[in-house]
Amino acid sequence: EAGVTQSPTHLIKTRGQQATLRCSPISGHTSVYWYQQALGLGLQFLLWYDEGEERNRGNFPPRFSGRQFPNYSSELNVNALELEDSALYLCASSLEQGMNGYTFGSGTRLTVV
Amino acid sequence: DAKTTQPNSMESNEEEPVHLPCNHSTISGTDYIHWYRQLPSQGPEYVIHGLTSNVNNRMASLAIAEDRKSSTLILHRATLRDAAVYYCIPMNNNAGNMLTFGGGTRLMVKP
Repeated sequence: EAGVTQSPTHLIKTRGQQATLRCSPISGHTSVYWYQQALGLGLQFLLWYDEGEERNRGNFPPRFSGRQFPNYSSELNVNALELEDSALYLCASSLEQGMNGYTFGSGTRLTVV
Repeated sequence: DAKTTQPNSMESNEEEPVHLPCNHSTISGTDYIHWYRQLPSQGPEYVIHGLTSNVNNRMASLAIAEDRKSSTLILHRATLRDAAVYYCIPMNNNAGNMLTFGGGTRLMVKP
């Protein structure tokens, strides 16, 4: 069974540009979660999608947004990139709203220059 | 969210058992206790979870105190591949279901 896949693996953008990160959950998983792991700051919850709807949002500005498609894959968009957005962005998926464990992807390393 | 306290780091010798403690004194009655680990350059990996009873799986055992204010993740025989940051996370199944990661414990395993 394929795990959670994220693309691209690495992304370099210039300050002010937009970045789009993609995530494919494990087949059958309907919930997708996005996390940011900046150097020295630990894992911060960004967004949770379930059945195509945004269910919860972490303490991030509105320029962080996303969506979930009918096939449950998801996109994270970051507009007006700032240097401090440089981080590892991790996607996870789950069944039963996470109560039996999340499966994480390997992440997208975003570098803003 | 329940607050957790874990040691910043621990060291173990290869092939020996490791007990990773976690205090979660403000845990609510419906919070499950989840453990995840993050190996270097990888996303976090689910390890185990439980509510009240001790739990075992192929990766580890979870011992939960009777008052549920603390728990201990037990790796029965540490290997070099177990070197990772271990996170203890209480999660309420009625509160949005997102994992809230703290600082975790960095486990170093010596050969």
